[in-house]
Amino acid sequence: NAGVMQNPRHLVRRRGQEARLRCSPMKGHSHVYWYRQLPEEGLKFMVYLQKENIIDESGMPKERFSAEFPKEGPSILRIQQVVRGDSAAYFCASSPPDGTQYFGPGTRLTVL
Amino acid sequence: QKEVEQNSGPLSVPEGAIASLNCTYSDRGSQSFFWYRQYSGKSPELIMSIYSNGDKEDGRFTAQLNKASQYVSLLIRDSQPSDSATYLCAVKEGDRDDKIIFGKGTRLHILP
Repeated sequence: NAGVMQNPRHLVRRRGQEARLRCSPMKGHSHVYWYRQLPEEGLKFMVYLQKENIIDESGMPKERFSAEFPKEGPSILRIQQVVRGDSAAYFCASSPPDGTQYFGPGTRLTVL
Repeated sequence: QKEVEQNSGPLSVPEGAIASLNCTYSDRGSQSFFWYRQYSGKSPELIMSIYSNGDKEDGRFTAQLNKASQYVSLLIRDSQPSDSATYLCAVKEGDRDDKIIFGKGTRLHILP
């Protein structure tokens, strides 16, 4: 049973470009969570999704950030018009209904 | 505002000793509690989950939960240098919501 998969593992973008981060949950998991982590800081919750539904997006910045988890395919975290402050590690986690979260390896985003 | 509090450390423990990591939480209705380990530059890895008052042991790790005091701890016996990492306490909000609140983590350093 493959774990949570994220790609790309490293992403470099110039200011103003778009970043798309993908997350495939573990088999049988229908809940996906996105977190951001800055160096030497804790995990910051961004959004919680189930298939085709955003359950909680209280941690998402109001502008430029969006997330989806379509019926088919991976969950996507999209950052439009990236700025240097978006540089961080973005982790995805998935869970079965009991809520125990398992993390993917993360995507390290660098904005030049 | 529901919170999970941890001492940021670093906590330095001699090799072979017991490392004790502590966590308090604010939501009295919390039902599920988790400890994750995160090595520098890596993603969080689930170590233990605990749901009822008392102790739960798994190898060198023991999780302790006291719901009356809103306190959860992790003991690591016979500490090894490979245990040096940041340990994240996580609490699931009540029974009806799958969102997990993470503490900021405690950095543990095992001294050889």
